[in-house]
Amino acid sequence: DAGVIQSPRHEVTEMGQEVTLRCKPISGHNSLFWYRQTMMRGLELLIYFNNNVPIDDSGMPEDRFSAKMPNASFSTLKIQPSEPRDSAVYFCASSLWAGEGQPQHFGDGTRLSIL
Amino acid sequence: AQTVTQSQPEMSVQEAETVTLSCTYDTSENNYYLFWYKQPPSRQMILVIRQEAYKQQNATENRFSVNFQKAAKSFSLKISDSQLGDTAMYFCAFMKQATASKLTFGTGTRLQVTL
Repeated sequence: DAGVIQSPRHEVTEMGQEVTLRCKPISGHNSLFWYRQTMMRGLELLIYFNNNVPIDDSGMPEDRFSAKMPNASFSTLKIQPSEPRDSAVYFCASSLWAGEGQPQHFGDGTRLSIL
Repeated sequence: AQTVTQSQPEMSVQEAETVTLSCTYDTSENNYYLFWYKQPPSRQMILVIRQEAYKQQNATENRFSVNFQKAAKSFSLKISDSQLGDTAMYFCAFMKQATASKLTFGTGTRLQVTL
């Protein structure tokens, strides 16, 4: 079975440009999570969805960040306008919703560099 | 809020030896879940092991086992018969008992397995 699929794997763009990161969760998983990993702050949750509905977006840094999940098999994280401090690895993860303590399965991440 | 502390930034172990990675956490919750994730240089986040706080028995997955001490809020990972492929960052993570709750990660321990 395919795991969580993220695209692109690497993204390099100039400050001020719009960036869109994409994620396809594991089929049948009801919950989807976006995390960001930096040297300074480690791994931190940005937002998560249950059944396509955003549940907690308190980790989204500011209004420049937005996330959507239009259907059960696709989510996007958008940054507009991008800034150099947004440079990080962005992970998408998914898990089953039915039951508690379900492990989260991660994609390979997108390494984002804002010049 | 929960916090997870990994006090060993780096560790080294010789191949075939045993190594223990430390993790402590702070929470007022009584029921929760704990995880260890491995992040090799390839950047993937790979689930290593999962522990349910209401179970006294320590979780084991092949060469990986945990020492879970609930009263001390300690959750260490033991890797037996270390292999070169175990070289990676290891993250301890906490999850509240709630459907599809987020993971709170520690800062990680970099493990180097040497010949």
